[in-house]
Amino acid sequence: QSVLTQPPSVSGAPGQRVTISCTGSSSNIGAGYDVHWYQQLPGTAPKLLIYGNSNRPSGVPDRFSGSKSGTSASLAITGLQAEDEADYYCQSYDSSLSLYVFGTGTKVTVL
Amino acid sequence: EVQLVESGGGLVQPGGSLRLSCAASGFTFSSYWMSWVRQAPGKGLEWVANIKQDGSEKYYVDSVKGRFTISRDNAKNSLYLQMNSLRAEDTAVYYCARERMGAKVSGVWFDPWGQGTLVTVSS
Repeated sequence: QSVLTQPPSVSGAPGQRVTISCTGSSSNIGAGYDVHWYQQLPGTAPKLLIYGNSNRPSGVPDRFSGSKSGTSASLAITGLQAEDEADYYCQSYDSSLSLYVFGTGTKVTVL
Repeated sequence: EVQLVESGGGLVQPGGSLRLSCAASGFTFSSYWMSWVRQAPGKGLEWVANIKQDGSEKYYVDSVKGRFTISRDNAKNSLYLQMNSLRAEDTAVYYCARERMGAKVSGVWFDPWGQGTLVTVSS
């Protein structure tokens, strides 16, 4: 049972902006631990999308952006494209559990 | 090119054992913490275990403690996961992943990931 909660699904038309929330607690995100985001295309391994709350690895389009505030974080996708259809996971560290934790995952659908 | 390639998955009966391997290339393997992360069919990601650069520290999620052992061979650029007393709930795709950390210790992320190897525990 994940300690980071994400909406099961979000959808949007091509070109629109969608956001995915990641809600934690005082033992993970609220304790100051960074949040990272991964994209998992169907049938493939997860791929790093955002690290350190808001940093994009080279090669990741600037349509993807991350932010963090309090006990939550968000991933925004602007200019939604068909190729963005995937599952997205947030990840952090939980000091109470002493382990790395992932969010419940969000499926993004492009209408 | 930085690459991780897992192998060793398969079908095993409950109570059985399996050893997963992960071959690393394209980076100095001995300089990084490494992790195993699993994903049950249709489910989310779950961190399983990690190991320090020299193998001196190892950590596990509670559900696998005493049954799984993570190890590495830096001379062979390889990571391993020995899985004993397997249960149906261990059925998952197992990914190996390199750990990365920024300038401050408040965040560790995983990059890259291998393609994964499927472990099925069933009679």
